[in-house]
Amino acid sequence: EVQLVESGGDLVQPGGSLRLSCAASGFTFSSYWMHWVRQPPGKGLEWVSRIYTDGSRTPYADSVKGRFTISRDNAKNTLYLQLNSLRAEDTAVYYCARGDLDGYFMDVWGEGTTVTVSS
Amino acid sequence: QSALTQPASVSGSPGQSITISCTGTSSDVGGYNYVSWYQQHPGKAPKLVIYDVSNRPSGVSNRFSGSKSGNTASLTISGLQAEDEADYYCISYESSSTYVFGTGTKVTVL
Repeated sequence: EVQLVESGGDLVQPGGSLRLSCAASGFTFSSYWMHWVRQPPGKGLEWVSRIYTDGSRTPYADSVKGRFTISRDNAKNTLYLQLNSLRAEDTAVYYCARGDLDGYFMDVWGEGTTVTVSS
Repeated sequence: QSALTQPASVSGSPGQSITISCTGTSSDVGGYNYVSWYQQHPGKAPKLVIYDVSNRPSGVSNRFSGSKSGNTASLTISGLQAEDEADYYCISYESSSTYVFGTGTKVTVL
């Protein structure tokens, strides 16, 4: 079964840091682009970042550029998102999603992990 | 990276057809055939229902269809059913190699 499981969400103070993980199983992880998408409470979806199969080409949304870093470990079938300089507006459910083989849509999603930024 | 524009809500009776629009610019929707649509039920992860403007993944009902004209993409749900009540989001690849979601549409089955 193709599956993505996020972890690492927590309550963190403004200015703090957090690392999210997404464990992949049931498919050849190294062959697929991967995305992070977030959803603030009661609001819509926001694309955050994408990473190419070999870890190169990592564009970011303007709202997180310079603060968040996407990475992957193909040997561990795991996707990461490092969140630094966190702000209240980063509070959201963070989803990882598998890109199709060309990367332009997301065909498999995890259930999400919740990040809350508050003092 | 301005969000694509969708109507906040659309409603219809069971059996009817509804259409959700997704309006962007020539730098995103109008410039690429990389628009996809996602259905999201409350408290659940999004689910892909249309990709590359008009393609339907295996397992998705053929009541879902997509199209595009200029800078506007559309999702049509025909034969509306109670289970279709959910939030729907479009997303497009854009010229800066990033992606932009639509504002989301709440579909209500009357």
